[in-house]
Amino acid sequence: DAGITQSPRHKVTETGTPVTLRCHQTENHRYMYWYRQDPGHGLRLIHYSYGVKDTDKGEVSDGYSVSRSKTEDFLLTLESATSSQTSVYFCAISGTSGGGLGTDTQYFGPGTRLTVL
Amino acid sequence: QKEVEQNSGPLSVPEGAIASLNCTYSDRGSQSFFWYRQYSGKSPELIMSIYSNGDKEDGRFTAQLNKASQYVSLLIRDSQPSDSATYLCAVRTNAGKSTFGDGTTLTVKP
Repeated sequence: DAGITQSPRHKVTETGTPVTLRCHQTENHRYMYWYRQDPGHGLRLIHYSYGVKDTDKGEVSDGYSVSRSKTEDFLLTLESATSSQTSVYFCAISGTSGGGLGTDTQYFGPGTRLTVL
Repeated sequence: QKEVEQNSGPLSVPEGAIASLNCTYSDRGSQSFFWYRQYSGKSPELIMSIYSNGDKEDGRFTAQLNKASQYVSLLIRDSQPSDSATYLCAVRTNAGKSTFGDGTTLTVKP
C-alpha cells in the first residue's frame, strides 16, 4: 500500500448528524482526492486538493465539504448526513512528475464504509 | 452520454482464454489513461497506464490506446481465476481530474 490510511473504516450514523472522515498519507504527495463508490455508479469525485488549503469541487460535491490544513491530512465532512450519502468513500493521492499532472497515477486508501440510517 | 463508458458486464471467460475489456471516452483533451483492478471489498489498484497511441504490454496484460477513436482497451491473456475482479477504466485530462467508468466485472471460470 502507498502509505494511505483512512479513518474510521466503518461508521454507522443517523440522518442529520455531522460526520468527518479522515485521510492520512505518509507519501508527501501534493494531490489528494475524495471519491464515493456506489453500485452502478463507479467512482465519483467529490472534492480534491492540489495543495495545503487549496481545494476544488468534483462532480458530486453537494452536501460535502473538505479541508486540508497539512500536506498529509485531507478531511471530508458531511455537515448533516442523509441516507443518500450511504456509500463507500475512498481517498486517493497522486504526486507530480516532470511530465505534468496528466501523467500521474492515483493510489487509493482502504476505504470507509459509511451507513446513514 | 457518460464521459467514460465501459462495456457492460459481467464478462465471463474460461481459464486460459483472452479477456477483452473496452472503454470509450468523450473528452478529446484527455491525456492519460489507466486501468485499475478492484477485488470485491477492496480498493482499486493500478495495473496499467498508457499515454501514447498503440499497445503497451506488461506480462499478461496489454493496454491499447487509439486517441483518434477515443478508445482504450485492456487485454488479459491466459486468464486466471485470480483475475476475477472489477476492472475500472480511468481517463485523466491535463486539468488534473480523473473520470472513472462504472467498471466491468470479470469472472474467470476454472
